[in-house]
Amino acid sequence: QSALTQPASVSGSPGQSITISCTGTTSYVGNYNLVSWYQQHPGKAPKLIIYEVTNRPSGVSNRFSGSRSGNTASLTISGLQAEDEADYYCCSYAGTWFFGGGTKVTVL
Amino acid sequence: EVQMVESGGGLVQPGGSLRLSCVASGFTFRSYEMNWVRQAPGKGLEWISYISSRGSSMYYADSVKGRFTISRDNANNSLYLQMNSLRVEDTAIYYCARDDGGNSWDHWGQGTLVTVSS
Repeated sequence: QSALTQPASVSGSPGQSITISCTGTTSYVGNYNLVSWYQQHPGKAPKLIIYEVTNRPSGVSNRFSGSRSGNTASLTISGLQAEDEADYYCCSYAGTWFFGGGTKVTVL
Repeated sequence: EVQMVESGGGLVQPGGSLRLSCVASGFTFRSYEMNWVRQAPGKGLEWISYISSRGSSMYYADSVKGRFTISRDNANNSLYLQMNSLRVEDTAIYYCARDDGGNSWDHWGQGTLVTVSS
């Protein structure tokens, strides 16, 4: 069974950039454009912020960007703002769909 | 405006059954694949089931296979999840999510809480 590994927490000061990694145990992350990222504020439903590794849905701030190197996908948040404090989940298809364990982003 | 509203959650004993519903509006429901995703209290997200736009293909996570059944009624813009043989570990918020066609989910409902406890 595939697994996606994310750091449990990442923090940064307002205005800084942070990066959240998502490493897959199979080659699906590296070989297919099937990685997406979701933001979830406490008590709210998840929100899609990156799809197909690097694409932003309409209405999502351009401070969010996605990338990939080998079997690791990454989400970068530039110009960190207080409203970015949330949980972030990567997701990839590997036969079925798998989420990473989630990363809690704290704005210091 | 795209909207999806789940209902049917509640408290059920282990071994019991529940049927969740998700009513969609603001888009052509019959054109979209749909999914159920759940989140146990204080835990991460877990995909559990997928259904194709016409309802001809369904997939399940191993954790629910054989116990849960996904279905849809395109005439009534509704998605369902029949949950049987419920276990304590099925306790979670259950979200319906619209597939954007690219293996990601661009719209989510607000979720419905299922609690399995004696």
